[in-house]
Amino acid sequence: KQEVTQIPAALSVPEGENLVLNCSFTDSAIYNLQWFRQDPGKGLTSLLLIQSSQREQTSGRLNASLDKSSGRSTLYIAASQPGDSATYLCAVSLSNDYKLSFGAGTTVTVRA
Amino acid sequence: DAGVTQSPTHLIKTRGQQVTLRCSPISGHKSVSWYQQVLGQGPQFIFQYYEKEERGRGNFPDRFSARQFPNYSSELNVNALLLGDSALYLCASSLERERVTQYFGPGTRLTVL
Repeated sequence: KQEVTQIPAALSVPEGENLVLNCSFTDSAIYNLQWFRQDPGKGLTSLLLIQSSQREQTSGRLNASLDKSSGRSTLYIAASQPGDSATYLCAVSLSNDYKLSFGAGTTVTVRA
Repeated sequence: DAGVTQSPTHLIKTRGQQVTLRCSPISGHKSVSWYQQVLGQGPQFIFQYYEKEERGRGNFPDRFSARQFPNYSSELNVNALLLGDSALYLCASSLERERVTQYFGPGTRLTVL
């Protein structure tokens, strides 16, 4: 069974600081890994999708890296803004599977 | 294009009742998946439907059922509600069954009293 862990569970930083969010997974036979953002009580917004053959993906201030062999992914958010305050979830899908296995998320607060 | 839509937004039921949640996928998407998210946890997979057939089921009791219609919209039914069924129910759609980006709807907040 795929286990996905996100550390830390919560993070508070001043505006302008770079954010580093960690995700680890137990089964390295993943097909892809997806990072999501969730605002309180809302649905999930897809941020980045990394295929297993890729090492990283970038979108604007967001950069996600993937190390399959060590079972880790890191989401970097540069120059954080108060609008970045949300819960960030990572999810993996296995090569022979169809469902997403999620971590519990990291709740980020960016202080103005 | 409209994203994934879900109805209703909020729902309050009492124990033992039955509930039906609805989901409309993004136009052209054939796959619909349902997830349950309990407060403070990540979403847990319930069902996937692709081309109107059940293609996957998570570790949920038989009180949970779903179906997909010819227009690819989907319903999730939960019978004999328990307090523990209180959660945010999320629907996700994708073009294909697997290995592609899944797009999530806003969710239905179910409260069981």
